[in-house]
Amino acid sequence: DVKVTQSSRYLVKRTGEKVFLECVQDMDHENMFWYRQDPGLGLRLIYFSYDVKMKEKGDIPEGYSVSREKKERFSLILESASTNQTSMYLCASKTRQGSSGNTIYFGEGSWLTVV
Amino acid sequence: GEDVEQSLFLSVREGDSSVINCTYTDSSSTYLYWYKQEPGAGLQLLTYIFSNMDMKQDQRLTVLLNKKDKHLSLRIADTQTGDSAIYFCAVGRTGGFKTIFGAGTRLFVKA
Repeated sequence: DVKVTQSSRYLVKRTGEKVFLECVQDMDHENMFWYRQDPGLGLRLIYFSYDVKMKEKGDIPEGYSVSREKKERFSLILESASTNQTSMYLCASKTRQGSSGNTIYFGEGSWLTVV
Repeated sequence: GEDVEQSLFLSVREGDSSVINCTYTDSSSTYLYWYKQEPGAGLQLLTYIFSNMDMKQDQRLTVLLNKKDKHLSLRIADTQTGDSAIYFCAVGRTGGFKTIFGAGTRLFVKA
């Protein structure tokens, strides 16, 4: 089974702090994603990466950056956390091709509260 | 841009069938998915269908695709309290990076 692991499930940070959310996948997937999930808004794509050191902006990249130094690891960085970044953050991965139906696999989510 | 729409809430009685509907705009979608999210957890893939299929059945789950109307539905037979969750419809393309998600339908199952 594909496993996507988000290292922190629950975090509370202060406004202005730098926040790192880490994600690791064990299936050698080329593509990795960071979404945020808010009630009534569903999932919104923040950034994605299709290869090591490559990144692309999603729909809501403002206030975020990402890092992909190794294929299995994709980090989301909040340079200066703000209260409107309080949300659930979901990491996901998928293979570029294959018989898995182009399926995207998710981690368990990281609940971030900024106070 | 591409969009996926689904109603936000559905309430059914235990033992009844649930039908969750979804419409999408991207006619080039080749993969159409249903994901389930239980409270406090990530999304789990329930099932998916290729765009060249009309129907897929997997135990209590039936997926129907009307490609002409760009309409996807998920039917859960004999709904149980354990089926209470948020269900997300999503679409993607072969070789595409992005998977587009709907806002999710929260299913309430009354005992």
